[in-house]
Amino acid sequence: QSALTQPRSVSGSPGQSVTISCTGTSSDVGNYNYVSWYQHHPAKAPKLMIYDINRRPSGVPDRFSASKSGNTASLNISGLQTEDEADYYCCSYSGSYTYVFGTGTKVTVL
Amino acid sequence: EVRLVESGGGLVQPGRSLRLSCSTSGFTFGDYAMHWVRQAPGKGLEWVSSIGWKSANIGYAASVKGRFTISRDNAKNSLYLDMNSLRVEDTALYYCAKDRAIFGVVIGSYFESWGQGTLLTVSS
Repeated sequence: QSALTQPRSVSGSPGQSVTISCTGTSSDVGNYNYVSWYQHHPAKAPKLMIYDINRRPSGVPDRFSASKSGNTASLNISGLQTEDEADYYCCSYSGSYTYVFGTGTKVTVL
Repeated sequence: EVRLVESGGGLVQPGRSLRLSCSTSGFTFGDYAMHWVRQAPGKGLEWVSSIGWKSANIGYAASVKGRFTISRDNAKNSLYLDMNSLRVEDTALYYCAKDRAIFGVVIGSYFESWGQGTLLTVSS
């Protein structure tokens, strides 16, 4: 159960787009379509942003989109806004009722 | 409104035991899988354990398997995490989370609603 690999940080100016990668293995990301993404602002509860690889819960702006190819999932944030500055985590089902989170990516809005 | 309130954290010595609780309201607790996720100081999120709506399916992270036990009391709308043989590396903020899907069996679960967490510090 090694953590999925994410870049430590990404940054962009308001209005720009950023993409966060999430690399796993054939035992997790590559084997299941159960990938999700969470936004975590400091001192707040994490928030589900994406589930089933690319589906957005009600209330999540369509600026957030995601995809998966092989063992790597990706989250794209377009039209970056100041409130998007947060930590983002991917998560994948890894079989036998277990889950694994990514290492986390800090998004900075310049 | 879905509400999850964790409790039971505190300072405990290595090797000791502790029970975390998660009291819930605003939804039919017995119909949903539930989860524990933790975050060590300065670290990322780590999935700890999950339990299906019928308690038939249970999973644990390798780091806690054999030491932690997840359980639920549907009559009390509460989730529990019994932690034994605690280690310094178990120090973290422990979150309780509700599954997104009704009648979840811990396959394809998503952590839709979260509590504010309870802090566990394991130190001598």
